[in-house]
Parts: sequence; C-alpha cells; structure tokens
Amino acid sequence: DAGVIQSPRHEVTEMGQEVTLRCKPISGHDYLFWYRQTMMRGLELLIYFNNNVPIDDSGMPEDRFSAKMPNASFSTLKIQPSEPRDSAVYFCASTVGPSSPLHFGNGTRLTVT
Amino acid sequence: SQKIEQNSEALNIQEGKTATLTCNYTNYSPAYLQWYRQDPGRGPVFLLLIRENEKEKRKERLKVTFDTTLKQSLFHITASQPADSATYLCALVGGANNLFFGTGTRLTVIP
Repeated sequence: DAGVIQSPRHEVTEMGQEVTLRCKPISGHDYLFWYRQTMMRGLELLIYFNNNVPIDDSGMPEDRFSAKMPNASFSTLKIQPSEPRDSAVYFCASTVGPSSPLHFGNGTRLTVT
Repeated sequence: SQKIEQNSEALNIQEGKTATLTCNYTNYSPAYLQWYRQDPGRGPVFLLLIRENEKEKRKERLKVTFDTTLKQSLFHITASQPADSATYLCALVGGANNLFFGTGTRLTVIP
C-alpha cells in the first residue's frame, strides 16, 4: 500500500498565478479531507468528501479556493488567483469511515511570492 | 465553534521520564478523540483513538485518558526516548463528521 500520495511536494509561484494541488487517496477509502497547516493556525480543515461528494466546505477560506473529486482515486485543490497569505503546507488525508483514523500524505509546501 | 487547546507549545523532558500532554476542548461533546504524531516534513500519523465511554486506552508505552466532564484528554508516554521527540496533535470529531485538530505540542526528549 503506497499510502496517500500528494503532488507536487513543493510549489513556488508568483502572486496571481493559479495553483493546483493533487491527491491520490488510499484505495477503498471513501472519505477524503484537505487540510492546511501554518505555524500560526495549525491544521485547518478546508473541505472533505464522502464518496466523491463534497460534504463540508465551510473551511474553504474564499472563492479563490476550489476542490474537486472527479473519481474515487483523485482529488484536486485549486487556488486562483494565489496570494502570499496562501503560503502553507497543504495536506490530503483519507479514511474508511468517519470514526476511523486519518491517513495523511506528506503534504505540498506552497510558497506564493 | 469548537475550540481545542493543547497545554503548551513545547515540552522538554529527560529521557526515561514520563511525558504528559494535555488536550482541552470546549463547545462540543465529541464521541471520540484521536491522537497523532507529526515529524518535521511529514504528515501526521495516527497513534490512538479513545471513545467517550472509555476512560483509558493503552498501546505499548502510550496511554490516553478521556474525561468528558472536564472536557480533557491526557496523553502519556512512559520511559520516554529521544526517538519520541515530535509534535503531538489531538483531534476531535465535529458535528458533520469532520475532524478538527489542536495546534499541537512539540515534545523534545533530552538524552
């Protein structure tokens, strides 16, 4: 089992550019979560999906952020346009059920200059 | 909204001692609570889950307690080792089955 796979590991972009982060969950996991981690705010839940359907997106900061899950094995988090305050580590996690442990990827470190 | 506080940002202890980390929460009564370990440059890794009807859970040198009256969980590492140095996060389930995390405690075990 390869675990949750995120790409890219690092992304550096200029303010105003579009950024797309990618995630492949563990096969058979029906829940997928996107988190953002900063020193100031810790791990913040952005959005989560169940069976490819967004369930709770109340953590998505602004309309500049969007997430999709076109199938059970792939999800994207898009920021358009990006801003310096979006700089953070973005984690994807998956799990088999709501009370089960989350399996995290190793994150994408985003730097917006 | 749900608020989760972990006792201190950083904790230093001597090797061989017991480390005790605290997680306090407000505004909700979670059915269960989880603890994770995070190493630099990596995602959090699940350690233990404890349910509201369980007072204590153990796994090797780890012990977790859950007091729903105090709205508090304690996480203990006995006979601590330098390899236990990491950031430890507690997490609670919210009303929509989403998982909210505390800001974490960075533990350093000094040889």
